[in-house]
Amino acid sequence: DAKTTQPNSMESNEEEPVHLPCNHSTISGTDYIHWYRQLPSQGPEYVIHGLTSNVNNRMASLAIAEDRKSSTLILHRATLRDAAVYYCILRPPFSGNTGKLIFGQGTTLQVKP
Amino acid sequence: EAGVTQFPSHSVIEKGQTVTLRCDPISGHDNLYWYRRVMGKEIKFLLHFVKESKQDESGMPNNRFLAERTGGTYSTLKVQPAELEDSGVYFCASSQTWEAGRLGLAGIWDTQYFGPGTRLTVL
Repeated sequence: DAKTTQPNSMESNEEEPVHLPCNHSTISGTDYIHWYRQLPSQGPEYVIHGLTSNVNNRMASLAIAEDRKSSTLILHRATLRDAAVYYCILRPPFSGNTGKLIFGQGTTLQVKP
Repeated sequence: EAGVTQFPSHSVIEKGQTVTLRCDPISGHDNLYWYRRVMGKEIKFLLHFVKESKQDESGMPNNRFLAERTGGTYSTLKVQPAELEDSGVYFCASSQTWEAGRLGLAGIWDTQYFGPGTRLTVL
C-alpha cells in the first residue's frame, strides 16, 4: 500500500488560509489522492479528492504537484470548526478489490481565535 | 437523509464478557465497512461488506471478532470474549455501490460516510 507522510501538527489563526502538505513519493500512476478529516468526537468525513489536476469544492482546494509526489490541502479561511485531524489517503482505482481506507497518523490542525 | 448510526455510543464491559456493536448504514448503501482506533494508534480497517457478503475481512484481528450483515442492511460486530486490548473506538462507514463498468470510468471509487463511532472500554 502506498504510504503518505504528513506533519504531525499545524497551527493556524482563524480566518487565515491553511496549507496542509502531504508527501506520497511512491504513488502509482493510477492512485487517487483523497483527503478525509476527523472532527473531535466524530467519525472521519470526506473532504476532497483528485488525480492530477487541482480541484476545488465548497470545503477546500486540493493542489497536486506536477510529478504527483506531493499534494496540498488548502483551507481558504480557517474557522474554529476546521480544527480536526486531516488525513491524506491514496486510493487505487476500483478493480473489484476492497475499497478500504488506509489511515496514517494525519495532521492535527489547531485553529486559534 | 439520515446518516450512519451506531449503537451503543459507549460500552464498558469486563474482560471475558461479550459485546455486540451495531451499525445502521445510510439507506441504499451496499458497501459497509468497520474500522477501529485503539488507544494511541491509527484508524485501522477491519472488514468490508458488499450487501450481505464479506468482500474483505483481512483486517479482522482474530477469531474473537465476528461481523454479520444479515439481509444486507444493518451490521453487527461481536467481540467474544473481550480482551483489554480491544478497547478503542469502533467506526462504521457506508457507501454506494461502485459502478465503474456502467460509467466507464477506471478510477471510480466510493465516498465513505462514517458514523460517530462506539467507544468500547474493556476493564
